[in-house]
Amino acid sequence: AQRVTQPEKLLSVFKGAPVELKCNYSYSGSPELFWYVQYSRQRLQLLLRHISRESIKGFTADLNKGETSFHLKKPFAQEEDSAMYYCAESLSGTYKYIFGTGTRLKVLA
Amino acid sequence: GAGVSQSPRYKVAKRGQDVALRCDPISGHVSLFWYQQALGQGPEFLTYFQNEAQLDKSGLPSDRFFAERPEGSVSTLKIQRTQQEDSAVYLCASSLAQGIYEQYFGPGTRLTVT
Repeated sequence: AQRVTQPEKLLSVFKGAPVELKCNYSYSGSPELFWYVQYSRQRLQLLLRHISRESIKGFTADLNKGETSFHLKKPFAQEEDSAMYYCAESLSGTYKYIFGTGTRLKVLA
Repeated sequence: GAGVSQSPRYKVAKRGQDVALRCDPISGHVSLFWYQQALGQGPEFLTYFQNEAQLDKSGLPSDRFFAERPEGSVSTLKIQRTQQEDSAVYLCASSLAQGIYEQYFGPGTRLTVT
């Protein structure tokens, strides 16, 4: 079955340190990958998607088909980055998202 | 403009009661999705509507779960004879059209079955 794995439930880093949130997917075809973020007391919102190859709030994510990974990275973490991050995958051309279990990022002052 | 809204935000039900959860999508959004999010888990797909047509209900966990969107706008997720394992946050999302468009999520309804 299609599966998205986020191995870390909690990641704590100090402000200014680099951040990498790991995500591995299982679909061997042409997946569409996304990162969604949920800040405290806010709703789930799209952070970025791999097809747009953009950087949002300093975050980037590169699709590595060989390793079936889509890790989220930021060179210098900020306190306002503290949130819950979900990696999601959909099969190419379909609407159905498969979400990972999420990683809580805590950026310490 | 207004985002996706859901009501109620919190619902406590006694085991065996029926509940109805409402979702108001963004105006003009064709696609509507329901997800179930258990504690400590990511959202899990329940069902998908394109306008009023329910095109996929493969994620509904049992026949106690029923969703409708009769006029292609507001949707209701109904759970009959609630069980404790139904306790979760139920998320609704809408997107502009079919295909890979950004899904906009509502705040969710937290259902607790006692």
